[in-house]
Formats: sequence, structure tokens, C-alpha cells
Amino acid sequence: SYELTQPPSVSVSPGQTASITCSGDKLEYKYACWYQQKPGQSPVLLIYQDSKRPSGVPVRFSGSTSGNTATLTISGTQALDEADYYCQAWDSSTVVFGGGTKLTVL
Amino acid sequence: QVQLVQSGAEVKKPGASVKVSCKASGYTFTSYDIIWVRRATGQGLEWIGGMNPYSGNTDYAQEFQGRVTMTINTSISTAYMELSSLRSDDTAVYYCARWAAALDYWGQGALVTVSS
Repeated sequence: SYELTQPPSVSVSPGQTASITCSGDKLEYKYACWYQQKPGQSPVLLIYQDSKRPSGVPVRFSGSTSGNTATLTISGTQALDEADYYCQAWDSSTVVFGGGTKLTVL
Repeated sequence: QVQLVQSGAEVKKPGASVKVSCKASGYTFTSYDIIWVRRATGQGLEWIGGMNPYSGNTDYAQEFQGRVTMTINTSISTAYMELSSLRSDDTAVYYCARWAAALDYWGQGALVTVSS
């Protein structure tokens, strides 16, 4: 079965840039999405189709995909960005999530 | 505005079944797939399956094949996910979400606790 691999944790200082990667075989040929989930809340869509940002998502969130890796970049990270982040793609009519990355802002 | 409102928390015994509902509003219900996802404590998001409300076609994750049934009632714009033969490791928050090039709207989640 298809797998997406994320680092379990990423740390960043306030105001700096955080990058969260998501690796999967031939990921560049599938569209990657990114979601943010804070404790006790439902996930929120941040990025779809690799790099598109829904209305209302701050511009500091951006996405890109190259080869087997999709990357979520958070520029000027704020304390309120501390959360779990998940990548997601489709493979053979199956929704696949990465294992999630806990972003710590310290 | 688009909303997905789920049923409330449930406590079930091992071996029982649970049925979670997801009422959609603010858009044409039959135009978008409904996806079901869960998150257990300390775990990540896990895809359970999805349903096309227009065709009635379903896709289930292999891990849930034989235990999950997804249905819809288009007259009340509501999707249902029933999970049977519950085990303690089915304890999780269950979410429904709309698929429109991504999971763009999510329900508030329904906590299902499986305990004897």
C-alpha cells in the first residue's frame, strides 16, 4: 500500500521559517494536500493541489512538490502555528495521510 | 455557508456497533464525496472510507473492509458511517469531511469510546 512519510516533529523559533516534508513514491504525479490540526479541533485545510491556498489561509503558509517530496513552508512562524500537520494524497481510489508532524514553536 | 454537523459522543461495549451521522448544509449534497476519517489519541489521521452521494458508490480502507458500512439519505442531506464488531482500539474521534479537490470542510468530530 502507498505510504507518505513525515518527520514526527519539527521545531522552529518564532519569526523563523519552518519546513515540513512529506515523502512518497512518485508524489509529484499525485496532488498533495496539507492540513493543520490543533488539540481538540477538527483539521483545517491549508494547501491543496500541491501549492494552492484556500481563501482565508494566511499567506505565510505555502506548499511545493518536487519529485517524491512535498514541502509545507511556514514563513514568519507564529506561536499560534504550533499544531500537528498532515500531508495527504490519493492513490488508487484510496486517501492516504502522512503520519503527521508536530510543530513546536519555541 | 458550508457546514457538516455530526452526531454526538457514544460509549459502546466491545463487539457492539456504532452509527455516526453527518448532516450537510450550505451546498448541493450530491455534488461532493463525503469522506470519513478518524483519529485515536496519540495517533494520526486514518482514512476509513468515502461515499459518492450521487451514485452511492463507496470505497473502504482495507483495514475496515467487512466492518464498515457507509450510507446516505439524500432527502435530508445526511451521511452515515456504521462500524461494527467494535474493539478497544476503535476508540477515537470520527470525522466526516467534504472532498472538493481536498478535504475542504470537516465536521466537528464524534468521540466514540469502546469500553467494557
